[in-house]
Amino acid sequence: DTGVSQDPRHKITKRGQNVTFRCDPISEHNRLYWYRQTLGQGPEFLTYFQNEAQLEKSRLLSDRFSAERPKGSFSTLEIQRTEQGDSAMYLCASSRGQENTEAFFGQGTRLTVV
Amino acid sequence: GEDVEQSLFLSVREGDSSVINCTYTDSSSTYLYWYKQEPGAGLQLLTYIFSNMDMKQDQRLTVLLNKKDKHLSLRIADTQTGDSAIYFCAESPRWMDSSYKLIFGSGTRLLVRP
Repeated sequence: DTGVSQDPRHKITKRGQNVTFRCDPISEHNRLYWYRQTLGQGPEFLTYFQNEAQLEKSRLLSDRFSAERPKGSFSTLEIQRTEQGDSAMYLCASSRGQENTEAFFGQGTRLTVV
Repeated sequence: GEDVEQSLFLSVREGDSSVINCTYTDSSSTYLYWYKQEPGAGLQLLTYIFSNMDMKQDQRLTVLLNKKDKHLSLRIADTQTGDSAIYFCAESPRWMDSSYKLIFGSGTRLLVRP
């Protein structure tokens, strides 16, 4: 296992278009997290899954955002009708879900909305 | 409320020690973390400390925790140019929260001068 994998690494899209990102967590990690990081800031929590269940969503996750983890393995994050303010790095992390196991981060998908 | 604060920038000479400071607000956080982010890369966990500890040492890294003041510091001994990166402090609130999500500070950019 090579770690958390995110695809694509970079995405440039026109305002108003829909985009979808994929995250493949470390196998057997039952928790999966999405974070968003804007320039000069730390990552901000968006949502998390335990297996296939989406258990928490941040208020940052507007109605235009939807995340799925259909079989409890990979996850997708879709942004509909993108806005310039959506430009950011989207980070995925996974962990075993015990009280203190390390959350492993992917390298992120950098989204630029023009 | 949940808030983590860090100073923005630190510059040190190669071979000197670096000390990066952080304050947090959530007293329910039982684990506190330091992450490193190099340009264009994801986040790498450097070390963590459990809230019933005052200090943890791991090779060149020393973490000090003052739980009364909610102050966390990371000391890097014999700082090398390869340590140049952004360092994030993160807490993991536990009060009424079983997600184990991370709340990050804005990061401290460490520049190591030759």
